[in-house]
Amino acid sequence: AQSVTQPDIHITVSEGASLELRCNYSYGATPYLFWYVQSPGQGLQLLLKYFSGDTLVQGIKGFEAEFKRSQSSFNLRKPSVHWSDAAEYFCAVGPFTGGGNKLTFGTGTQLKVEL
Amino acid sequence: GAGVSQSPRYKVAKRGQDVALRCDPISGHVSLFWYQQALGQGPEFLTYFQNEAQLDKSGLPSDRFFAERPEGSVSTLKIQRTQQEDSAVYLCASSPRGSGGALDTQYFGPGTRLTVL
Repeated sequence: AQSVTQPDIHITVSEGASLELRCNYSYGATPYLFWYVQSPGQGLQLLLKYFSGDTLVQGIKGFEAEFKRSQSSFNLRKPSVHWSDAAEYFCAVGPFTGGGNKLTFGTGTQLKVEL
Repeated sequence: GAGVSQSPRYKVAKRGQDVALRCDPISGHVSLFWYQQALGQGPEFLTYFQNEAQLDKSGLPSDRFFAERPEGSVSTLKIQRTQQEDSAVYLCASSPRGSGGALDTQYFGPGTRLTVL
């Protein structure tokens, strides 16, 4: 069964600093990987997704993520964080075929941005 | 266009009461998912519909949980005889295509926060 680990429960960065949120997955085949962001009272919003091809994926709001098969990782990065990026971030993995594309999520990383 | 909507946004129930949570997916979306998000946790899959067919209910925690999507659009998640451990945010998501559409993006609603006293 697939699983996702987000080792950092909380991260605090200063506005303008760079950001990296870690995600490790366990999956027996080629994974489909996703990053979602959840602001208070809001639903999950998709930031980016990886299915195949170029291992560096660009997303919305200036985020990017890099798939590293050798490390089973899909870390999320942003070169310069804005105060509005404060939110909870979830990494997720989806099945290759069938299963209705249900997602398995990590436990999330809460990002705090200091002004 | 309109996104996924859920109602009510907040629900407080006394232990033992039945509750019904509604999800209005994006119009025309074939797939619909329910997830449960406990406090401090990531969402966990409950069940999946392709149109009106419930193809996967492996995540439903007990037979007190029941979901339906009778006309292939609106879905209702019903919890009977609620328990305190049912307190969570219940998220609904929809995606354009059906099973095998692993390339689909899931669009999430804002969730219903259920508190069982």
